[in-house]
This record gives sequence, C-alpha cells and structure tokens, in this order.
Amino acid sequence: AQSVSQHNHHVILSEAASLELGCNYSYGGTVNLFWYVQYPGQHLQLLLKYFSGDPLVKGIKGFEAEFIKSKFSFNLRKPSVQWSDTAEYFCAVIPTGFQKLVFGTGTRLLVSP
Amino acid sequence: SAVISQKPSRDICQRGTSLTIQCQVDSQVTMMFWYRQQPGQSLTLIATANQGSEATYESGFVIDKFPISRPNLTFSTLTVSNMSPEDSSIYLCSVDETEAFFGQGTRLTVV
Repeated sequence: AQSVSQHNHHVILSEAASLELGCNYSYGGTVNLFWYVQYPGQHLQLLLKYFSGDPLVKGIKGFEAEFIKSKFSFNLRKPSVQWSDTAEYFCAVIPTGFQKLVFGTGTRLLVSP
Repeated sequence: SAVISQKPSRDICQRGTSLTIQCQVDSQVTMMFWYRQQPGQSLTLIATANQGSEATYESGFVIDKFPISRPNLTFSTLTVSNMSPEDSSIYLCSVDETEAFFGQGTRLTVV
C-alpha cells in the first residue's frame, strides 16, 4: 500500500549530538513534502516543506531536510540538537492529484541535557 | 497563517454517548479537515469539510459515526457518535492554505 514511513519511532540523544530522522514514501510522481513538529502540549507546527527547486530545504530552528527523489526520501537533519528540540516529529506527503496530507507514524525525540 | 481553536481540549466520556468537537478559525477558509491520532499511531484523515456541501469521508469513516457540520467559512464541528473505548484518540482540526495549520487537538477518552 502507498504510505509514508518513519522507521525510527523513538530517538534519544544528548545535547549537541547530530540528528537525522528518516522519512520514505511510496508514491510515484510529483509529491509535496513536509516535516511537522509537535512540542509537548502544543499544536502541530510546520518545520519545513519542499515543493520544487533546491532539494536541500532549510526550515525553522536550524532544521533542514534533503529530498532525494531516487530514494523516495526526505530525511530531516539538525547538526546539533538542544534540549528544547524534545518533541514528536512527523513527516507528511501530498501526492500528485491528492488534496490531503498523508502522515508518517511520527518519531518521538528525547534530548537529554 | 491561521489560528485554530478547538474545544474541548480533552474529555472523558461514557461509552454509548456522543461528543461534539468544535473548531473555530480566525479567517475564512474553503476546506477544513478532521484528523484522528490514535495512541501510538499516525494522524489519519477522517473527512474533508467544505462549506455548503456534505463532508467527504475517507475509507473506513462514515457519516453516521462521525457527522460533520460546516455552517460557515470559519467554523466546523465533528461529532463522535455512540462512542466505544476504541474511539479514544486525539481528534485534530486542520485548515490548509499552502501549508496545513492545526488546532491543539481534543484528547478523548471513552470509558
């Protein structure tokens, strides 16, 4: 079935460690790609998005993501995490011809001080 | 950007009863979306609500169980009917204006 996969369900890092969260999708054709973050007790909010152009996308709070079309991937990265990055991260895709977001299962990140 | 307010933020309900969740947006939007996030799972789209027409439901969701109202361009409600413990979940309202904005969600526990 067509889907969005986030293989890491839980990630624990120390402050200043580098982060990479995987996201793969199985839709063919053109896709719009998103990463959302949900801090404890807060709304889902957009970290970054990719529609077209430069496949390396920079978002808020030092996050970036790289779209690799051949790998159907859109991995999220941050070179040095902070305790305040503790949150749940969701990858999402809008496939061609759809008008709705399809979400991955989410990755819960815990950053220890 | 859009600011979305959802009420209630949480509720504990008896099985067999119904709960109506309200979603208010601070601007007029064409499409509003209702999602469900079950424990340990991803967000799943329940339905899309357009003003002036019936909501469009995704596979596995039906109007009798999740009736939706969309009386104007800034407001929508989702009712979870005849609840069972399996309906315990977070329900989220969303609007899409080139990116999706979400309400804070309604955490529902059915006992």
